[in-house]
Amino acid sequence: NAGVTQTPKFQVLKTGQSMTLQCAQDMNHNSMYWYRQDPGMGLRLIYYSASEGTTDKGEVPNGYNVSRLNKREFSLRLESAAPSQTSVYFCASSEIGGYNEQFFGPGTRLTVL
Amino acid sequence: QKEVEQDPGPLSVPEGAIVSLNCTYSNSAFQYFMWYRQYSRKGPELLMYTYSSGNKEDGRFTAQVDKSSKYISLFIRDSQPSDSATYLCAMNCDDTSGTYKYIFGTGTRLKVLA
Repeated sequence: NAGVTQTPKFQVLKTGQSMTLQCAQDMNHNSMYWYRQDPGMGLRLIYYSASEGTTDKGEVPNGYNVSRLNKREFSLRLESAAPSQTSVYFCASSEIGGYNEQFFGPGTRLTVL
Repeated sequence: QKEVEQDPGPLSVPEGAIVSLNCTYSNSAFQYFMWYRQYSRKGPELLMYTYSSGNKEDGRFTAQVDKSSKYISLFIRDSQPSDSATYLCAMNCDDTSGTYKYIFGTGTRLKVLA
């Protein structure tokens, strides 16, 4: 039982390049999330998927797109990376309702030069 | 004004001290209050949660919620160097409209000195 896995762990991009961050969970959760974490800013929600087939914008969606490929997988795409997108990206999953414990992946450290 | 405010620290305490970590919030609709712990270069993990007001104890950890003051606290007794981490408060509410509402604080970095 791996929980939430993310690939890659580290990535360096040049401004304007594109990339996709992959996330998968094996807990049969309905909901999945993408966050970015920056010093002094805490965790900020980029996009979420409440259930398979749906996606919604979070607090900071500009410059990102997502795909809920199936119940297990939720990917985040940067179409044209900018230095402001340098951050640590976390994927999380949870069930719906209640206190809704979120299970986080190990994170992807992205640097955009 | 942010919906959830949390002092970022860092907070340094000697081993064995009692630690108090706090968050304030503005949205009275929040019903569930959580504390996550995040070790360096790892993802956050749920430490404790409380529903509505009151206290909850788990070993050396006590979570306290005061909804009238919109204030939540996490107390750590007999703190250990292994407690050194960033602690994030989080809160959410049931929302039948379909609008997502799950907010994290910025986190308080704690260092327990041996």
